[in-house]
Amino acid sequence: DAKTTQPNSMESNEEEPVHLPCNHSTISGTDYIHWYRQLPSQGPEYVIHGLTSNVNNRMASLAIAEDRKSSTLILHRATLRDAAVYYCILRDDKSKAAGNKLTFGGGTRVLVKP
Amino acid sequence: DTGVSQDPRHKITKRGQNVTFRCDPISEHNRLYWYRQTLGQGPEFLTYFQNEAQLEKSRLLSDRFSAERPKGSFSTLEIQRTEQGDSAMYLCASSLLQGTGDNEKLFFGSGTQLSVL
Repeated sequence: DAKTTQPNSMESNEEEPVHLPCNHSTISGTDYIHWYRQLPSQGPEYVIHGLTSNVNNRMASLAIAEDRKSSTLILHRATLRDAAVYYCILRDDKSKAAGNKLTFGGGTRVLVKP
Repeated sequence: DTGVSQDPRHKITKRGQNVTFRCDPISEHNRLYWYRQTLGQGPEFLTYFQNEAQLEKSRLLSDRFSAERPKGSFSTLEIQRTEQGDSAMYLCASSLLQGTGDNEKLFFGSGTQLSVL
């Protein structure tokens, strides 16, 4: 299965953008890139996903490299509520055949300083 | 939409006892997943249902674990003869499978924290 690599932690100041990198050098052509985040004492929540093109929604933007071997989740203006663990996950054909289960790694712990 | 509901939020039990957790998915979601999460780790897949059928079980799901989803609605996860290693957060998620599933999003509950003494 294709794996992802993320930094263990990142710090940001409130109201500033946060760029969370994810490396997935063994990604295949049909793998979707999904991001979930987990706030303290809560279950994970969906953030965004994409295949090839950059994606934007109300929560974040996803920038995907042209060769798709890396991607970046962008939080445009971090708030204290954005402090969470952010998981970059590849949804591959094998996962789809097996019910689209998500395989979580360690994620990046984001600390937002006021 | 009240989200995915899990009960109880916390459970403390003694080793060797049986425990059962309940998950109420988002209404009309046809898929339901169970995950387990230990401190400092990401969630690990345990099993999932499509409607009432249990379609996959992880190797993590030993014979002491059993999950059901009668009538394709709520689900229960039972652990028999609990061990200290079973202490973890048990998370439930639901989703609506449409088409190829490429845009399937999982909605997680807040989990049940199990402590086995």
